Amino acid sequence: AQSVTQPDIHITVSEGASLELRCNYSYGATPYLFWYVQSPGQGLQLLLKYFSGDTLVQGIKGFEAEFKRSQSSFNLRKPSVHWSDAAEYFCAVSPIGTDKLIFGTGTRLQVFP
Amino acid sequence: DVKVTQSSRYLVKRTGEKVFLECVQDMDHENMFWYRQDPGLGLRLIYFSYDVKMKEKGDIPEGYSVSREKKERFSLILESASTNQTSMYLCASTPRGRTYEQYFGPGTRLTVT
Repeated sequence: AQSVTQPDIHITVSEGASLELRCNYSYGATPYLFWYVQSPGQGLQLLLKYFSGDTLVQGIKGFEAEFKRSQSSFNLRKPSVHWSDAAEYFCAVSPIGTDKLIFGTGTRLQVFP
Repeated sequence: DVKVTQSSRYLVKRTGEKVFLECVQDMDHENMFWYRQDPGLGLRLIYFSYDVKMKEKGDIPEGYSVSREKKERFSLILESASTNQTSMYLCASTPRGRTYEQYFGPGTRLTVT
């Protein structure tokens, strides 16, 4: 079945630590891939996107993500987390040839000082 | 700066009431979307619209309807609110041909008692 999976519901890190949020997808052809962030009380904001080409993409707020075709993954990373990064993060895919955006269930990030 | 606004941040309604959620975008986008967001389920698409007076069902349209009389405004209607429609409702818009790059409003948290 076609799906997008975020296996971690909740992650806690210390400020200054590195971060990796996991995302796996299951589609016949590699879809377009996205990460969105939702800060408390806010709507979703696009962090970064992957369509094709270089498998390491840079986004806003110091985030990056790496596409790995062999693992059907698109993990989000940040070298040093700031307290303001505490939020919920959603991986999303847009299957090729569709106009839809399919969201994962989200990962809530908590940052300790 | 792009902007999507929703008429209310918080709304409390009684079971059986007719509820209107309004969304307005100022970016001249053709496409508009309504999602509901529930813990552990991520975002699920209720309805979307590609143009004025056009609408398409999403993944969970039951119990909802929509109206798009003007390009900038997309309304979600709960004909007879029920407690299982208590949720966060998010509106989004995109330009034509780029439905995957969505701009979100801040959301309306609806409670049905």
